Amino acid sequence: NAGVTQTPKFQVLKTGQSMTLQCAQDMNHEYMSWYRQDPGMGLRLIHYSVGAGITDQGEVPNGYNVSRSTTEDFPLRLLSAAPSQTSVYFCASSSDSHSGNTIYFGEGSWLTVV
Amino acid sequence: AQSVAQPEDQVNVAEGNPLTVKCTYSVSGNPYLFWYVQYPNRGLQFLLKYITGDNLVKGSYGFEAEFNKSQTSFHLKKPSALVSDSALYFCAVRDKANTGRRALTFGSGTRLQVQP
Repeated sequence: NAGVTQTPKFQVLKTGQSMTLQCAQDMNHEYMSWYRQDPGMGLRLIHYSVGAGITDQGEVPNGYNVSRSTTEDFPLRLLSAAPSQTSVYFCASSSDSHSGNTIYFGEGSWLTVV
Repeated sequence: AQSVAQPEDQVNVAEGNPLTVKCTYSVSGNPYLFWYVQYPNRGLQFLLKYITGDNLVKGSYGFEAEFNKSQTSFHLKKPSALVSDSALYFCAVRDKANTGRRALTFGSGTRLQVQP
């Protein structure tokens, strides 16, 4: 019963490096999203996707790219890491059949940019 | 636009006492409301949600929440707190009219500390 799986759980990057946070879900959910969590700010939406081949920007998209080539996978790419991107990142998914559907979260990826 | 406010950064309660974690929201239409809990170094776990119908919603681990439309509130409650309830709690809202994005807007979180 995997649900939403994120890798890696912890990562340290140097400023300017690039990396990809992986996210996969096995629930056949159409809707997937990435949030970042910063102290005192709750979770803020970075990018989201309502289905394979469709992505859109959230509240804080700058410095991040996403793609959705399959229903299961939704990777988040940091193009040139900056210290301001030090955060905890959560991938989430939900069925698209009703907007009241529960969103399920992965366990998080802790990223430090030095 | 949709927004959520959790006015308390931290709530302290003694084990066995009732607890309340406050949440107020703002949406242009009607809301879907959610509570999530986060334990240290873990992801968010779903507790309960209000979609429609009965204003009192019961969820996991003995938690419940009451939807109050006139006060635009959705406070989380539990009759008798446990030390294991100590965690970070997030309220979230989605406007029913916002069908495209389907994203939740989260409050800043309230840390619940239950003392033995």
